Amino acid sequence: AQSVSQHNHHVILSEAASLELGCNYSYGGTVNLFWYVQYPGQHLQLLLKYFSGDPLVKGIKGFEAEFIKSKFSFNLRKPSVQWSDTAEYFCAVNALNYGQNFVFGPGTRLSVLP
Amino acid sequence: DAGVIQSPRHEVTEMGQEVTLRCKPISGHDYLFWYRQTMMRGLELLIYFNNNVPIDDSGMPEDRFSAKMPNASFSTLKIQPSEPRDSAVYFCASRPGTGAYNEQFFGPGTRLTVL
Repeated sequence: AQSVSQHNHHVILSEAASLELGCNYSYGGTVNLFWYVQYPGQHLQLLLKYFSGDPLVKGIKGFEAEFIKSKFSFNLRKPSVQWSDTAEYFCAVNALNYGQNFVFGPGTRLSVLP
Repeated sequence: DAGVIQSPRHEVTEMGQEVTLRCKPISGHDYLFWYRQTMMRGLELLIYFNNNVPIDDSGMPEDRFSAKMPNASFSTLKIQPSEPRDSAVYFCASRPGTGAYNEQFFGPGTRLTVL
């Protein structure tokens, strides 16, 4: 069965610090990969997605993610975080041979201190 | 487009009562998903539909939970009878059916509290 792990449960950073959130998945076939963000009290919104091509994907609000197939990883990065990036971040995998089901990671809570 | 619409946004009920959550997907989307989010278990897929037909309900916790999609623009998730452990935020999401390269669009969620 598919599974998605995220390395950190809670990350605390100061403004302007660099961010990297880890995501690993367990599936050897073709996958589509996503990062969603959930701001406090709100619903999940898409940050970025990877389907094919350039493994470095750029998303909204200055976020980017790198797909490393050999490591089954899709880590999220941002060079300089802002207080407004405080949110929970979810990695999700859609393994194409498993149909339309998305498997979400447990989430990483990011707190950015002003 | 108004996005995925869910109602009610908040529901407080007593143990044993029936609860019905509602979802209107984005027009034209062929897939509809119901998720439950709790602190302990994170985001769990309960069931999803394709063209109004349930495809995978393996995530439905038990027989107290049922979901229907009578037409392309409406779905319900019903809990009968409700229990305190059902307290969670329930999200509905929809996804276009054309191509495999589309993300899911989430609704604002229904926060359910069962006393």
